[in-house]
Amino acid sequence: GAVVSQHPSWVICKSGTSVKIECRSLDFQATTMFWYRQFPKQSLMLMATSNEGSKATYEQGVEKDKFLINHASLTLSTLTVTSAHPEDSSFYICSAPSRDSNQPQHFGDGTRLSIL
Amino acid sequence: QKEVEQNSGPLSVPEGAIASLNCTYSDRGSQSFFWYRQYSGKSPELIMSIYSNGDKEDGRFTAQLNKASQYVSLLIRDSQPSDSATYLCAVIKEYGNKLVFGAGTILRVKS
Repeated sequence: GAVVSQHPSWVICKSGTSVKIECRSLDFQATTMFWYRQFPKQSLMLMATSNEGSKATYEQGVEKDKFLINHASLTLSTLTVTSAHPEDSSFYICSAPSRDSNQPQHFGDGTRLSIL
Repeated sequence: QKEVEQNSGPLSVPEGAIASLNCTYSDRGSQSFFWYRQYSGKSPELIMSIYSNGDKEDGRFTAQLNKASQYVSLLIRDSQPSDSATYLCAVIKEYGNKLVFGAGTILRVKS
């Protein structure tokens, strides 16, 4: 069964809206979670690493004021896309590190975000 | 130079054939290598992990690693239409726990 739950799976909203995506680790604690973005026919690009109890670490070129990350508990990280615009439309995927040495991360099911 | 490079494809093979997918990486210190399968609109699913030079087999899948050439490959034997997907090569670099993905190779298995 799923070990990382991501919600919602699909969002359509108007330009200028802020959208929050939740990522939960099920039955285990995750002090770190990762947020990826994937545009059509492109690879997963790491946006940021979410750290429980401290600030997220953003990858180069990712606007921290645009993509707000909050890791308020050991099982929940949220990504808020603020004032979303059509160019923010993408597939957003979260993951949490795995204790299984053969599997580095458990991925959520992803969120398809469409901004009109 | 991209950190992880893959031929985007599509790679088309007939059902029952062997599909060969290739990947090169730039960080010579990389230690961990993974192949993921991703269906359209879904998250990636881990197929194989490999850490040492040589071959690693799991069912119809064989991963091959050559650190000297900075090259990783995935062979899929007896390809099935259900294997049609995008295959992502991913690497954990020498330091840290971040996965770096290639752009993926689209595989189409024709029945």
